[in-house]
Amino acid sequence: SQQGEEDPQALSIQEGENATMNCSYKTSINNLQWYRQNSGRGLVHLILIRSNEREKHSGRLRVTLDTSKKSSSLLITASRAADTASYFCATGRWTGKVIFGPGTSLSVIP
Amino acid sequence: DGGITQSPKYLFRKEGQNVTLSCEQNLNHDAMYWYRQDPGQGLRLIYYSQIVNDFQKGDIAEGYSVSREKKESFPLTVTSAQKNPTAFYLCASSTPPDESSAGANVLTFGAGSRLTVL
Repeated sequence: SQQGEEDPQALSIQEGENATMNCSYKTSINNLQWYRQNSGRGLVHLILIRSNEREKHSGRLRVTLDTSKKSSSLLITASRAADTASYFCATGRWTGKVIFGPGTSLSVIP
Repeated sequence: DGGITQSPKYLFRKEGQNVTLSCEQNLNHDAMYWYRQDPGQGLRLIYYSQIVNDFQKGDIAEGYSVSREKKESFPLTVTSAQKNPTAFYLCASSTPPDESSAGANVLTFGAGSRLTVL
């Protein structure tokens, strides 16, 4: 399976701190995506990193990808209470199939 | 505004009954997906369709059926054969992958349908 698996399962931090979530996957990939889900809602796409990229930034988000270790990390800097959500990595190939990991639940305490 | 509409938002069903969840998109996306999410869990792929009149099984297709007769619509039927259907169901769509996305289907999600079997 190419399923990603995030760790930690749950993370609780104070507002203003940085939050780091990790994702590991099993098979080779062309790309890896990160999504966010607020409680009881649909997912929202955050960022995509290609397999030939090592790092990518978007606002307060920084994603890294290490294909040799089959892992990726999502860093949220200067976290805010509004960042409280679940974060999922997703892997895919040209087949169209998109597989999600179990997610990390982030709580940012004001 | 373009988006994906799932209905109903909440649905209650008696055991043994089939139920159909609606998913409509006006994004002109070719691909559509159905995922199941259980409390505190990740998303598991039920079915996906990359083009009209074609669809593929995901990882947990047993007890579910779909159709893709129109580009805009991808309804999911939860049949009585699904042993534990109570869950949150999410529909998504995407444009075809290309070189700029390294083959990624970037998904746009609906708000979800919560099915409870009584």
